[in-house]
Amino acid sequence: DSGVTQTPKHLITATGQRVTLRCSPRSGDLSVYWYQQSLDQGLQFLIQYYNGEERAKGNILERFSAQQFPDLHSELNLSSLELGDSALYFCASSVVPEPYNEQFFGPGTRLTVL
Amino acid sequence: LAKTTQPISMDSYEGQEVNITCSHNNIATNDYITWYQQFPSQGPRFIIQGYKTKVTNEVASLFIPADRKSSTLSLPRVSLSDTAVYYCLVGFTGGGNKLTFGTGTQLKVEL
Repeated sequence: DSGVTQTPKHLITATGQRVTLRCSPRSGDLSVYWYQQSLDQGLQFLIQYYNGEERAKGNILERFSAQQFPDLHSELNLSSLELGDSALYFCASSVVPEPYNEQFFGPGTRLTVL
Repeated sequence: LAKTTQPISMDSYEGQEVNITCSHNNIATNDYITWYQQFPSQGPRFIIQGYKTKVTNEVASLFIPADRKSSTLSLPRVSLSDTAVYYCLVGFTGGGNKLTFGTGTQLKVEL
């Protein structure tokens, strides 16, 4: 158990819908990362927050957005969902913002878009 | 933005040393190299990280040549429990930089 929690574990929805994925980092970790893992794209970095502020943006689509709240939990919002958005979404956290430090990954949320 | 490639799969026997290479020809000056292990239906787990030369911890070693265009993860005396997918992660954040995962290497360890 990494100490990072993600909800929900599974999510099934239809095209065009909007969903919110939630992540609670390890106690004391200020940095949160979001990743997408799919069979055709592999693991892709989406976005990073540090202490409530966006620090880095990766291959995140404009239909996706994220935020980190004052209590440090983070949410990833996916809208106008397409079939290709079906994937495993991971959240990771670390103490400091530099990603070369150990990131602790959550168990992931499996999103299925029908 | 570093583009990273890895061998798709490797097979080994218990007790052998395994070396997995990651190619990152476009690595930037600020980029660090980190390796993760992933089991099915789990999130990746940190193994080791480095910037240049050699780094060793209790589970692995990481070799990075002077030009830093590749890196090699070395797992000494693998066991069945080391069967997993191994990813390199290259990059840095802050200042507009990004992170790039390698394509992943499926390691299968047999008796």
